[in-house]
Amino acid sequence: QQQVKQSPQSLIVQKGGISIINCAYENTAFDYFPWYQQFPGKGPALLIAIRPDVSEKKEGRFTISFNKSAKQFSLHIMDSQPGDSATYFCAASKGDYKLSFGAGTTVTVRA
Amino acid sequence: NAGVMQNPRHLVRRRGQEARLRCSPMKGHSHVYWYRQLPEEGLKFMVYLQKENIIDESGMPKERFSAEFPKEGPSILRIQQVVRGDSAAYFCASSRDQETQYFGPGTRLLVL
Repeated sequence: QQQVKQSPQSLIVQKGGISIINCAYENTAFDYFPWYQQFPGKGPALLIAIRPDVSEKKEGRFTISFNKSAKQFSLHIMDSQPGDSATYFCAASKGDYKLSFGAGTTVTVRA
Repeated sequence: NAGVMQNPRHLVRRRGQEARLRCSPMKGHSHVYWYRQLPEEGLKFMVYLQKENIIDESGMPKERFSAEFPKEGPSILRIQQVVRGDSAAYFCASSRDQETQYFGPGTRLLVL
């Protein structure tokens, strides 16, 4: 069974717009929630991560929002750029290993 | 500081052959993880190793798959008697003390 559900499967956004990707998890023992960015033919690269003791974390144009009671977290990409076009994966784990990944969201930023 | 290295990057095998995938962790990292990614899907955890020890292999298929991380040299993921369903991208990640996992570029296995 998939422990982390991610949506949408794909999205298209205009340059300068906001991309929003949502994830929901089942296991309340999860305590680490990273987001990874993957370009075609490459391995996933850590983008930003959050732990459940905070509700929001921002790094540059990337923000994670976390709702513990709803068991949901989301990634917001502000001022989206063509270079942001990639596949984004949310993940969750208890402790920092054995990551359970969402199915991925392909983001296309149109110039 | 070199990142996680994996080789080969692409591997073609015929059904029944063996596939050996190698992973060299980042310098100073003693924790290695293997994940499998099927087309259009997220990564699935396979196994977690520290030097000479398998810590968690709950994601490994019970047959034909094995992994090791010897005291010297890279971590090896071995798939015996490959079948078409083994075709996937296999990613290795490493970390220092169960911290952030850094992924390699992956090995894309194609079974003919």
